[in-house]
Amino acid sequence: NAGVTQTPKFQVLKTGQSMTLQCAQDMNHNSMYWYRQDPGMGLRLIYYSASEGTTDKGEVPNGYNVSRLNKREFSLRLESAAPSQTSVYFCASSEMGATSGANVLTFGAGSRLTVL
Amino acid sequence: RKEVEQDPGPFNVPEGATVAFNCTYSNSASQSFFWYRQDCRKEPKLLMSVYSSGNEDGRFTAQLNRASQYISLLIRDSKLSDSATYLCVVNKGYSTLTFGKGTMLLVSP
Repeated sequence: NAGVTQTPKFQVLKTGQSMTLQCAQDMNHNSMYWYRQDPGMGLRLIYYSASEGTTDKGEVPNGYNVSRLNKREFSLRLESAAPSQTSVYFCASSEMGATSGANVLTFGAGSRLTVL
Repeated sequence: RKEVEQDPGPFNVPEGATVAFNCTYSNSASQSFFWYRQDCRKEPKLLMSVYSSGNEDGRFTAQLNRASQYISLLIRDSKLSDSATYLCVVNKGYSTLTFGKGTMLLVSP
């Protein structure tokens, strides 16, 4: 019963390097999300995919790109990493949209990224 | 008013105490409300949804006040294991949720 799996768990990058965070869920959820969490800032939405084949910007999309590869997988790419992108990144999924009374987010364990 | 606002705490309480957290939200059109719990260096996990009529789950009670745009979480008979950060969550539009910055609770022996 894996739920939401993120890789890698830890990564150190140099400024300007690129990388992709991978996320997969095995709950047959329609919606997937990428959040970042910084001290004092709480969780902020980067991008989301309400359903397979769609992606939308969240609150802080600059410097990131996403791909909803299929219903299970939603990846987050940093094309040219910057120190400001040092953060903990969480992937999440939910069965349906946020206004549904049945909507609950299930999070992955997080990916800790440091950009030097 | 910020979209979702919480007192960051920390709330320091002894075991067995009752503690309450409030959270205010700015969007009067919000329809879904939740409390999530986040342990140190872990992912957030759903604690409970908040319904208009209020709801209870064991030692935890959640209330919604639409007129004043706040939700509350009451924890009775606090346990050491309740030590965590409690996140208030409100829907923003159809597909996204907005998280508060969290309230830290520390329960001591």
